[in-house]
Amino acid sequence: GAGVSQSPSNKVTEKGKDVELRCDPISGHTALYWYRQSLGQGLEFLIYFQGNSAPDKSGLPSDRFSAERTGGSVSTLTIQRTQQEDSAVYLCASSRPGQPRDTQYFGPGTRLTVL
Amino acid sequence: GNSVTQMEGPVTLSEEAFLTINCTYTATGYPSLFWYVQYPGEGLQLLLKATKADDKGSNKGFEATYRKETTSFHLEKGSVQVSDSAVYFCALGNSGGSNYKLTFGKGTLLTVNP
Repeated sequence: GAGVSQSPSNKVTEKGKDVELRCDPISGHTALYWYRQSLGQGLEFLIYFQGNSAPDKSGLPSDRFSAERTGGSVSTLTIQRTQQEDSAVYLCASSRPGQPRDTQYFGPGTRLTVL
Repeated sequence: GNSVTQMEGPVTLSEEAFLTINCTYTATGYPSLFWYVQYPGEGLQLLLKATKADDKGSNKGFEATYRKETTSFHLEKGSVQVSDSAVYFCALGNSGGSNYKLTFGKGTLLTVNP
């Protein structure tokens, strides 16, 4: 079966532009998570979706970051007015009902470079 | 808050050598502990987990024991292979209601030479 997929795999943008990163979770996985991995840092939690709602957005670093999930499936992470410090690998993960939510399946990530 | 500290790499070993990657943590409550592996060009994969003190997680010849007294979860393998070359991440899950919020270490790059 297909794993978590993310697109694009790489994105280079100019400072000040908006970007959208996409995550397609494993079919049937109701929970979805976004993480960020900055150079030399571990992964930081950004946001958690259960279905289409986001009960925990506590990791979003600023109001330039937003995310939505439609149809209980695909999620989009949007970064407005990108800054150089937004350069990182953005990882998406999902988990299925009936398993502990800390058992997460990760996608390959989107590497974002802000020039 | 929760934190994970793992040994900095890179670690370079010869094939069949013994591997230890140290991991210690700070957390409240009784979190689950994990090791994830990221092979070149691939996403993170769960390697093993342990959910309570003295549990041993194991997979693919790797082992780690949840040591509450030393707040550690060191990863070991008796004989590494070239195919084990990857980045290894130690992580913990929050205890309680927000158990989905994983906290990761910075990762340790392992290179195994033939």
